[in-house]
Amino acid sequence: QSVLTQPPSVSEAPGQRVTISCSGSTSNIGNNGVNWYQQVPGKAPKLLIYSDDRLPSGVSDRFSGSKSGTSASLAIRGLQSDDETDYYCAAWDDSLNGVVFGGGTKLTVL
Amino acid sequence: EVQLAESGGGLVKPGESLRLSCAASGFPFSTYSMTWVRQAPGKGLEWVSSISSSNAYIYYADSVKGRFTISRDNAKTSLFLQMNSLRAEDTAIYFCARDRGCTSTGCALPDSWGQGTLVTVSS
Repeated sequence: QSVLTQPPSVSEAPGQRVTISCSGSTSNIGNNGVNWYQQVPGKAPKLLIYSDDRLPSGVSDRFSGSKSGTSASLAIRGLQSDDETDYYCAAWDDSLNGVVFGGGTKLTVL
Repeated sequence: EVQLAESGGGLVKPGESLRLSCAASGFPFSTYSMTWVRQAPGKGLEWVSSISSSNAYIYYADSVKGRFTISRDNAKTSLFLQMNSLRAEDTAIYFCARDRGCTSTGCALPDSWGQGTLVTVSS
């Protein structure tokens, strides 16, 4: 059971927009920044969004992040087949004194 | 370009020890905090431990506290994870990652990751 809650899977058609939610609490998302990572299974995670809504250099602006209260979201517009993989949210947790991750969301591009 | 290369993984029996290393290059290693994250086969990401740039702040997940020790050698731009009393549930790919800093109240989140090294604990 992960501290941050993500839907196990989402799906959408190519070219469309999809959002992935990440629900936490005041000790993590509510009080600290959220990062989003993209991971091809067995490979290194790649940073997509940091500090809730900031885009790292080199990451496509099709990706965007937002946060409200104790929940965060990752949006991907203009879906491509390459986007079909796993996505994780993360935040520091003040109560656990460590980084907490969501359980991951598998995106299927129909 | 940031490069992180883990090594030291392998097959060990329950109760045995293993030391992982992570060789870093492409950035001023001594000014960044570093983190270990693991991923069990077919499972999600799990944070293991983080260490600040000057060793002043070290954090561990409850699941490894007392068994694992994180350390670093800034002169050799290397990060280490000493793993003792290994259990079957420690079986995972272990990733080394860079983050932007740790303080007395916590650490920033990873921004660059290595490719990982596989640790298998089985009799």
